[in-house]
Amino acid sequence: NAGVTQTPKFQVLKTGQSMTLQCAQDMNHNSMYWYRQDPGMGLRLIYYSASEGTTDKGEVPNGYNVSRLNKREFSLRLESAAPSQTSVYFCASSYSYYGYTFGSGTRLTVV
Amino acid sequence: KNQVEQSPQSLIILEGKNCTLQCNYTVSPFSNLRWYKQDTGRGPVSLTIMTFSENTKSNGRYTATLDADTKQSSLHITASQLSDSASYICVVSAETNAGKSTFGDGTTLTVKP
Repeated sequence: NAGVTQTPKFQVLKTGQSMTLQCAQDMNHNSMYWYRQDPGMGLRLIYYSASEGTTDKGEVPNGYNVSRLNKREFSLRLESAAPSQTSVYFCASSYSYYGYTFGSGTRLTVV
Repeated sequence: KNQVEQSPQSLIILEGKNCTLQCNYTVSPFSNLRWYKQDTGRGPVSLTIMTFSENTKSNGRYTATLDADTKQSSLHITASQLSDSASYICVVSAETNAGKSTFGDGTTLTVKP
């Protein structure tokens, strides 16, 4: 009963490096989301996927790309990391928009 | 613009005491309101979900209320415990914007012995 699994849990990048954050859910949910949470602030939506094969921009999409690989997996890619992207990243999934299940987060530091 | 405002920003109470957290929203047309608990270093966990027709929902010592007319919700915590120390987040969804729920910034609750 894993729920939403995010990898890695921690990552340090140098400015300009690229990386992909992985997210997988085993609840057969249609929708998946990527959020970032900066210290002392609320969650902000980066991208979401309402269903397999679709993606849409959220509130803060600049500097990110996403791929809905299949119904289970939704990845977030940073092509050229910047210090402003230092944050905690949460993946979430939902059957509709009725309620989210969140992963445990990825702590990313860009130096 | 859809907005969710939570108050207070932070709160300190003694163990065993009750407290109430507030959430005001301007999301329209309203679909549902959820309260989440986020422990430090963890992802948010759902506490309650309420639709337009529901004005109260309980989950153990947590009771959420909803007044859709005034667009206000509250989360009442009874007989607080040290483990209640966390951030409590109010999230509101609009019927026409399924993928873009509006999050409040949260209330940080600290329960002291």
